[in-house]
Amino acid sequence: QKEVEQNSGPLSVPEGAIASLNCTYSDRGSQSFFWYRQYSGKSPELIMFIYSNGDKEDGRFTAQLNKASQYVSLLIRDSQPSDSATYLCAVPYGGATNKLIFGTGTLLAVQP
Amino acid sequence: GAGVSQSPSNKVTEKGKDVELRCDPISGHTALYWYRQRLGQGLEFLIYFQGNSAPDKSGLPSDRFSAERTGESVSTLTIQRTQQEDSAVYLCASSLASSGGPGNFGPGTRLTVT
Repeated sequence: QKEVEQNSGPLSVPEGAIASLNCTYSDRGSQSFFWYRQYSGKSPELIMFIYSNGDKEDGRFTAQLNKASQYVSLLIRDSQPSDSATYLCAVPYGGATNKLIFGTGTLLAVQP
Repeated sequence: GAGVSQSPSNKVTEKGKDVELRCDPISGHTALYWYRQRLGQGLEFLIYFQGNSAPDKSGLPSDRFSAERTGESVSTLTIQRTQQEDSAVYLCASSLASSGGPGNFGPGTRLTVT
């Protein structure tokens, strides 16, 4: 089992809809989780990170963490065409945030 | 303010040659990271610096890879005797502290080994 798994997509949603991006991880001891956005040909940008079970909201983005199920998701409300990108989930290796293990990302396509 | 910068942006080299990649982090950022991204793959951790020290070099793929950081600022990643499998985008990131992970990535250096 890969340490961090994401569906590669593409995930296609209409403009204005909620996009739901999912990530599962294998290390039950993981304490923090990171979401990055990567536009085609560009470097990743940190969107948000979450440490606690439950939801964390930042603008149109909500990260949801369920440690019991080893599952973290990113919801994007009111999706815009400019949100079209690859979304990368990352988990610290052995709990060390200096070394993140990245998933291969989910490609999101928001249709106008 | 200025973000993380990397040079060169593109590098084409022949197999067996040495290459040096440079990263200028955001001023005052003590944590610096190198990752690489092969085409269609996720990011792979290479090395982490805290100040000028590298407490975690566990991601360096072989002894052909080395990195240093000086003045708690500029870092260079050196790849000796390049191989075709070294072709990738090499990304540098910096952050104020490591607890928040790599917060600011540079634009990357695209390395192509022919």
